[in-house]
Amino acid sequence: EPEVTQTPSHQVTQMGQEVILRCVPISNHLYFYWYRQILGQKVEFLVSFYNNEISEKSEIFDDQFSVERPDGSNFTLKIRSTKLEDSAMYFCASKGRQGNQPQHFGDGTRLSIL
Amino acid sequence: RKEVEQDPGPFNVPEGATVAFNCTYSNSASQSFFWYRQDCRKEPKLLMSVYSSGNEDGRFTAQLNRASQYISLLIRDSKLSDSATYLCVVTMDSNYQLIWGAGTKLIIKP
Repeated sequence: EPEVTQTPSHQVTQMGQEVILRCVPISNHLYFYWYRQILGQKVEFLVSFYNNEISEKSEIFDDQFSVERPDGSNFTLKIRSTKLEDSAMYFCASKGRQGNQPQHFGDGTRLSIL
Repeated sequence: RKEVEQDPGPFNVPEGATVAFNCTYSNSASQSFFWYRQDCRKEPKLLMSVYSSGNEDGRFTAQLNRASQYISLLIRDSKLSDSATYLCVVTMDSNYQLIWGAGTKLIIKP
């Protein structure tokens, strides 16, 4: 069964540094998402991406964040000038064309900011 | 008011028992409904979609009441492997952004 893959599984970074989290969505999916989950808290929506552009973003997704789909296969989340509170699990998800299809999640990247 | 509310839990239940999870959502424009399960420090995994007519998948039954904006999940004959956090999730807009409940933790005891 096709799956969403994310790399790295764990990223440790000094505060103030930039990180890039990578995702390879399921190949025929058209909608792409990033979510985050701070330890012990609920999953939070960050951004959705469709037709090569951001379709919606949450209040969390400020100028510190950006997304790219550089080559038609990868979907990346860049966090500039990381802060301690950026430490969380970051999940990538993708969804097929039909409206009621569920989103499929990657295993997540655990980001630890020191 | 929270957009998606679930029982706070945790539920401590003996193996073989039936467990019921409840969820309410605030936006009547919600379009699609799902139950995900999440094991500790793992990604959410789709358990089942929830359809207006209700649907069943083995030991799991999901119900949707649009008038009451209420979703339920029933697990019959619970197994130790059912221990996880169960997340109620809805989508509202054309981007299919998922709105998550806080989850209800289920602990099945032998």
